[in-house]
Amino acid sequence: ETGVTQSPTHLIKTRGQQVTLRCSSQSGHNTVSWYQQALGQGPQFIFQYYREEENGRGNFPPRFSGLQFPNYSSELNVNALELDDSALYLCASSQGTAYGYTFGSGTRLTVV
Amino acid sequence: AQTVTQSQPEMSVQEAETVTLSCTYDTSESDYYLFWYKQPPSRQMILVIRQEAYKQQNATENRFSVNFQKAAKSFSLKISDSQLGDAAMYFCAYRRISTGNQFYFGTGTSLTVIP
Repeated sequence: ETGVTQSPTHLIKTRGQQVTLRCSSQSGHNTVSWYQQALGQGPQFIFQYYREEENGRGNFPPRFSGLQFPNYSSELNVNALELDDSALYLCASSQGTAYGYTFGSGTRLTVV
Repeated sequence: AQTVTQSQPEMSVQEAETVTLSCTYDTSESDYYLFWYKQPPSRQMILVIRQEAYKQQNATENRFSVNFQKAAKSFSLKISDSQLGDAAMYFCAYRRISTGNQFYFGTGTSLTVIP
């Protein structure tokens, strides 16, 4: 059974640039959620996809967008990067919203 | 809005001893899930234990147990016979059963295990 894989593990971007983070869900999982974890904080919910449709969104601006593909892998896109976007971005997948979630090891994004 | 509060930023425990991590939460829902997650330096969030709010019996997983006080909205984690591998950040989390079932996490407690 494969786990949740995120790429890249680390990334450095310049303010104003755009970034795409990727998540490969655990086999058999059709739901994926993305979280932002700032240094010293708990993860904050960005959004969730279920069978390729967004079905929940946290308090993040529209420049945070996502996609879920037919194979249930997912992308998080962030436009017009700001310094405060520097954080660990975690992806979590599940068989469905009523089930447990498996987290990946995250992508550490640094915006300079 | 749901909030989760962990009032202990750091805790330490001697190896083989017992430690309790505190968590309180705020919700108007009657049914929900509560979790403790462990985040080691590898950064992956690992599920430690889960409690359904409708269950009065406290959850237990080997050396890990919870004290769930629904009326007080308190959910503490007890780690018995602490091991060096237990050292990590521990996050308390809440999740609704109804729509909008994202996790709400606390700010975490950093646990140090002293040999």
